[in-house]
Amino acid sequence: DAGVIQSPRHEVTEMGQEVTLRCKPISGHNSLFWYRQTMMRGLELLIYFNNNVPIDDSGMPEDRFSAKMPNASFSTLKIQPSEPRDSAVYFCASSLPGITNYGYTFGSGTRLTVV
Amino acid sequence: DQQVKQNSPSLSVQEGRISILNCDYTNSMFDYFLWYKKYPAEGPTFLISISSIKDKNEDGRFTVFLNKSAKHLSLHIVPSQPGDSAVYFCAASASTDKLIFGTGTRLQVFP
Repeated sequence: DAGVIQSPRHEVTEMGQEVTLRCKPISGHNSLFWYRQTMMRGLELLIYFNNNVPIDDSGMPEDRFSAKMPNASFSTLKIQPSEPRDSAVYFCASSLPGITNYGYTFGSGTRLTVV
Repeated sequence: DQQVKQNSPSLSVQEGRISILNCDYTNSMFDYFLWYKKYPAEGPTFLISISSIKDKNEDGRFTVFLNKSAKHLSLHIVPSQPGDSAVYFCAASASTDKLIFGTGTRLQVFP
């Protein structure tokens, strides 16, 4: 299996532009998570889905952030409009239901820079 | 409100010595704990876990200790190797699908 695949790896955009991050989870994994890594807050959970349904979006910082999972093999995280403080590394992770002995499998992340 | 805290942002240890990384949590409902390791430009990878019914779990050079009364866990790496240099994240779950992570500790192992 190719693991969790995220695209793009790097994104540089101007303030006010729309940004879309993409994630393909591991086939057969029912749960998908979006995290953001910053120095101050570490790995911060933004939203997660079970069987394509959003379960908890309490970590989404503002209405500017939205996430979708139209099918079991694809999810997007959108920021509109983007702001410089959104600059961070965004990770997608997937897992089987529940917290297994091995936790989640993470993608390599998307480094977002908003100038 | 940080439910999982790693108060040491960095740690430097000589090769061959023991590395001890610490993690504190505030939510008494947490019942499963994990450590992840992260290299630059890569996603975090699972390292070791422990259930709240245990106080120790060992896997090769890595041992995790859990002290529920103090709401504290630690990761011991013995002996430390240069390849262990990475950022280590502590994570916890309260019988849900959701993992809460700490801020990470950067470990540097020097020769």
